[in-house]
Amino acid sequence: GDSVTQMEGPVTLSEEAFLTINCTYTATGYPSLFWYVQYPGEGLQLLLKATKADDKGSNKGFEATYRKETTSFHLEKGSVQVSDSAVYFCALRTNTNAGKSTFGDGTTLTVKP
Amino acid sequence: EAQVTQNPRYLITVTGKKLTVTCSQNMNHEYMSWYRQDPGLGLRQIYYSMNVEVTDKGDVPEGYKVSRKEKRNFPLILESPSPNQTSLYFCASSPWTSGRADEQYFGPGTRLTVT
Repeated sequence: GDSVTQMEGPVTLSEEAFLTINCTYTATGYPSLFWYVQYPGEGLQLLLKATKADDKGSNKGFEATYRKETTSFHLEKGSVQVSDSAVYFCALRTNTNAGKSTFGDGTTLTVKP
Repeated sequence: EAQVTQNPRYLITVTGKKLTVTCSQNMNHEYMSWYRQDPGLGLRQIYYSMNVEVTDKGDVPEGYKVSRKEKRNFPLILESPSPNQTSLYFCASSPWTSGRADEQYFGPGTRLTVT
């Protein structure tokens, strides 16, 4: 079956530090890849996505590139802010079975001023 | 405003007392899904629906039921709740276009405690 493996957390950084959260996947079909963010007390919201190999998704200073050869979709941000403190989820859906959604375990990011 | 709503947001109940968590979306999405979120386990899919009257099991369907009689609503039913169903539950929806796996829109969550 499909699976998503995320870098274990929690991650604590100082403001303006560089962020990387690793995500690798296995999929039986051709997946679309997503990063969702969950702020405290809220539901998940889409942060960025990529639907084919070598696509780069970007939003709010975050970026992730769909790497088919390494089956990875690592999330990066050059300079984090306190307001980026949240839980980040990597996820996939495949066109062949779009009903099923697979999420990673989530990575908690805390940014200290 | 485009949104997914869930009710109730918080619920404390006792073992065996049937309950329903409602989910409604106003975006005319074909696809809807339920997830539970537990510490260290991420989100796990319970059930999903590709359209009205079409539902299918996710990874952890045991102890849950769903129905999709209308496009906008997708209630989650616990016929006989047990303490291991204490969790944070999310409903989500997305458009469904053949050949595309789109992003999902999530509700605010329902925190359920079963004693």
